[in-house]
Amino acid sequence: QKEVEQDPGPLSVPEGAIVSLNCTYSNSAFQYFMWYRQYSRKGPELLMYTYSSGNKEDGRFTAQVDKSSKYISLFIRDSQPSDSATYLCAMSAIGANNLFFGTGTRLTVIP
Amino acid sequence: DVKVTQSSRYLVKRTGEKVFLECVQDMDHENMFWYRQDPGLGLRLIYFSYDVKMKEKGDIPEGYSVSREKKERFSLILESASTNQTSMYLCASSGPENQPQHFGDGTRLSIL
Repeated sequence: QKEVEQDPGPLSVPEGAIVSLNCTYSNSAFQYFMWYRQYSRKGPELLMYTYSSGNKEDGRFTAQVDKSSKYISLFIRDSQPSDSATYLCAMSAIGANNLFFGTGTRLTVIP
Repeated sequence: DVKVTQSSRYLVKRTGEKVFLECVQDMDHENMFWYRQDPGLGLRLIYFSYDVKMKEKGDIPEGYSVSREKKERFSLILESASTNQTSMYLCASSGPENQPQHFGDGTRLSIL
């Protein structure tokens, strides 16, 4: 079993839709959670960075962590065609430098 | 903003060649990482370094080596390139423990 599981999609939504992207994990030691956005032919770009459980909001993006269920989510409100990208979740344990990544979900927002 | 620069965006090499991929970061980060990214497999860690001249193997170090002579620079070396090393290679850097990693734009390497 992989430490981090992420549905690869692809996911297609109409412009303006609310998008929900999710990851599950098995290691209860994970405390730091990240979402990266990767456009085609570019490197991953840090989108959200959270510690432990709870919600964090940044503009149209909300990251949610449920440690009891070992489940994290990224919500995108009012999705735009420019949000079309692959979204990667990543996480790490306290004191660790290494990240564990999901395989990424490919999102297309249709105008 | 953190800037991680990879020397080449696209590279084509022959089987058996020695290949060098270079990465430079401008944020005085202690940690640097090399990954490869393949469809369906996600990012896999090849090597990382937490200090100058220090290195640690990642999940798939076979066929690769690294060099970190200066804090800002981390090089990935393919000792004798093989076709199964055709991939997207990503370099990243981060500050002390649990700081997020910042990535370069990658080198798409083709081994013919």
